[in-house]
Amino acid sequence: DTEVTQTPKHLVMGMTNKKSLKCEQHMGHRAMYWYKQKAKKPPELMFVYSYEKLSINESVPSRFSPECPNSSLLNLHLHALQPEDSALYLCASSPGGLNEKLFFGSGTQLSVL
Amino acid sequence: EDQVTQSPEALRLQEGESSSLNCSYTVSGLRGLFWYRQDPGKGPEFLFTLYSAGEEKEKERLKATLTKKESFLHITAPKPEDSATYLCAVHIKAAGNKLTFGGGTRVLVKP
Repeated sequence: DTEVTQTPKHLVMGMTNKKSLKCEQHMGHRAMYWYKQKAKKPPELMFVYSYEKLSINESVPSRFSPECPNSSLLNLHLHALQPEDSALYLCASSPGGLNEKLFFGSGTQLSVL
Repeated sequence: EDQVTQSPEALRLQEGESSSLNCSYTVSGLRGLFWYRQDPGKGPEFLFTLYSAGEEKEKERLKATLTKKESFLHITAPKPEDSATYLCAVHIKAAGNKLTFGGGTRVLVKP
């Protein structure tokens, strides 16, 4: 299995909602990442987990809360988002060291109303 | 400040018309340069990693090369299915051990 699976593929939420994005990989990778991508822009790093510990937080607002329950799963909890948070949210994984070849999921397209 | 710049921003090609994309970087302590392909609404797909000047890698119609200041992605005799956004990214240890992406080049290959 060489896939990173993200759910849901699409999400529409109001500014008062709480929702979660999920990411799963079964390649035995030990680093997992959340990126945010706006239309026609490159991906922007949000968080990195290495060996299930948060190793990089790119000064992301607290309305985004990451969680790594185990080595295969990565969640991103969303609360009180703003319309400008609408974007494609990408999960990625890499085998061991940080920023080796990244395997990306297909993303969750998020719209905040 | 470390920077990664891709050019051109967009490229329209006729099928079979070879061309090159550029990724220039002004960084110190480069640990690797990555090329990815991204289709609309999808995550980036890994193409190549280059580590040292003079290195070249090939995959089907794509060839990536690296110098001390830039990388080129050559597309030979492109087909419509090569239409995508091509992203380069550099891994710089000094930048908190993270990848810095360029802005991408959107390639459209017309039949």
